[in-house]
Formats: sequence, structure tokens, C-alpha cells
Amino acid sequence: EADIYQTPRYLVIGTGKKITLECSQTMGHDKMYWYQQDPGMELHLIHYSYGVNSTEKGDLSSESTVSRIRTEHFPLTLESARPSHTSQYLCASSRSSSYNEQFFGPGTRLTVL
Amino acid sequence: AQTVTQSQPEMSVQEAETVTLSCTYDTSESDYYLFWYKQPPSRQMILVIRQEAYKQQNATENRFSVNFQKAAKSFSLKISDSQLGDAAMYFCAYRSPYNDMRFGAGTRLTVKP
Repeated sequence: EADIYQTPRYLVIGTGKKITLECSQTMGHDKMYWYQQDPGMELHLIHYSYGVNSTEKGDLSSESTVSRIRTEHFPLTLESARPSHTSQYLCASSRSSSYNEQFFGPGTRLTVL
Repeated sequence: AQTVTQSQPEMSVQEAETVTLSCTYDTSESDYYLFWYKQPPSRQMILVIRQEAYKQQNATENRFSVNFQKAAKSFSLKISDSQLGDAAMYFCAYRSPYNDMRFGAGTRLTVKP
């Protein structure tokens, strides 16, 4: 079944740790996105990719980095987590056509102590 | 840059009643698409309804319908016969061939039994 997956769903980690949030999609979508969202609040685009080896920063400045080595995989990495990184991170993907909506993953809720 | 505005941070509706969520957008483009997304508490964001700007007919999906006023740049969502499961954050979004998805700040809908 075509879908978009995120792991882990929940992560509690100490300050200074390096973490990687995984995102994979099985729909063959060219475009992938990372959003940061505090619970019940608006979405902030932090990274996007329009294809393999293509990554761009979004509207909201973020200390995280991303990579796109394979079409289906778009991981997000924080080299040194801080309490200010506590938030929900949503991954999304879409086809290139403007007609197509973004499909969202279930999200990763990150808490940095 | 295209902007999407949802002027109602919170809305409330009685079960079985009808509620309308507002959305306005700013663009100089003529070819674009509008979307409403639903994000239930702690659950995945899903697409509710989509409208193509070149279509005059308002989109409808079961109990969900839109009132698309292109000249006024307005795109409201009407939910008829509201159900408890409709309680969620609702996000309005805009996309065009030249600009990727832009989301509004969201409206939190509460459904009272």
C-alpha cells in the first residue's frame, strides 16, 4: 500500500544528543518536505527537496539538516538537540504537478530535556 | 509572495449543525489550486477537499463543500451535519505551477455534543 512513514513516532532525548528523524514514502513522489509544528499550531516549512541530491531550506530557519540520496527517503538530522527543538515534525510528499496535494506522514513528536 | 489567511483561530459548532470556516488568499496568478486539510488531535493530516481555480463550480465531498469566490480570493469550507469526528485543526492551502504549497495558520474546530 502506497504511504508515507515516519519513525520514531515519539522521541524523548537529552540535550546535546544527535538525532535523525526518518521519513520514507512508497508513492514515487519527486517532492518531499519537512514541517515543524507546535501542537495545534500552524505549520512551518523547514526543508524541502524536489528530487535526489536536491535540498533547500524552507521559510523557517532551522538548525537541522536533511539529505535526499534516494527518492523515497528524506531523513532529518539534528547534530546537537536542544530544548528549543522540542516540537512535532511532519514529513510530506507530493508529485510535481500543482494539481497534486501533499501527503503527510503521522509525525514525530520530539521532546528534548 | 502568495499568502493564505485564516481569520478564525477557533470555531465551535453544535453536533448536526452547519459551520463555515473562512480562508482568503493573495495572489496575482490565474492558474492555481486550493485545498482544505484536516488534522485531528494526535492524528495524521489528510486532504478534505480540493478546488481548481479554473472551475467555477464549487467542489463537494459528501458533507464538505466549498464556496470559492475567485474575484474576492475567498475559499471557505462548509461542513454540514457536523459530527464529533469533525473536531480537528483545519488548514487552508494554496498551490500553483510557480509556487509550492502555502498553508494558512489553521482553524481549530470544536464540535459540541
